[in-house]
Amino acid sequence: DAKTTQPTSMDCAEGRAANLPCNHSTISGNEYVYWYRQIHSQGPQYIIHGLKNNETNEMASLIITEDRKSSTLILPHATLRDTAVYYCIVPPLAGGTSYGKLTFGQGTILTVHP
Amino acid sequence: DTGVSQDPRHKITKRGQNVTFRCDPISEHNRLYWYRQTLGQGPEFLTYFQNEAQLEKSRLLSDRFSAERPKGSFSTLEIQRTEQGDSAMYLCASSSDRGNQPQHFGDGTRLSIL
Repeated sequence: DAKTTQPTSMDCAEGRAANLPCNHSTISGNEYVYWYRQIHSQGPQYIIHGLKNNETNEMASLIITEDRKSSTLILPHATLRDTAVYYCIVPPLAGGTSYGKLTFGQGTILTVHP
Repeated sequence: DTGVSQDPRHKITKRGQNVTFRCDPISEHNRLYWYRQTLGQGPEFLTYFQNEAQLEKSRLLSDRFSAERPKGSFSTLEIQRTEQGDSAMYLCASSSDRGNQPQHFGDGTRLSIL
């Protein structure tokens, strides 16, 4: 798996955009970047994933740099319910024996405050 | 909601007892994964199934652990002769095997060993 590096924690004011960075400098050409979050006492929740183009869905936007060595997850209008641990993951490619295995690091603890 | 369902949500047992957890994946998903999460850490991969075939097992899965998915639908994870160190959240996830589809997680079974 490509190693990912994220800040340990971040703060954001309610209603403002939360921008969570992730470095994945060893990513290979066909590996996707996935983002999950985990709210206390719940299972991880899938947010978004992308390969090289920017992606947007109802939850967030994902901006991947042109060299694909880093990405940013954007929550456009953070709410208190977005307080969670956010994980950036680059899983192994399809076809290998470890395909689909997710390796979670420590993630970023995002705290949204009023 | 037809998300991933896990049962029970909580299990408290005495050291040395056997426990079994059940996971019902999203119905059209043929891949099923088990993870374990201890306090303050991200989830760690244990094993995964493609339909009924168990294709990979982590070194974390000692001989006391066994997972099955007999008909390629629901799965069970059994721990025999439980130890204090088995106390954790056990998470199940499922995904389609088409392309790079994300895994979707249940809310886990929290195991406490007395």
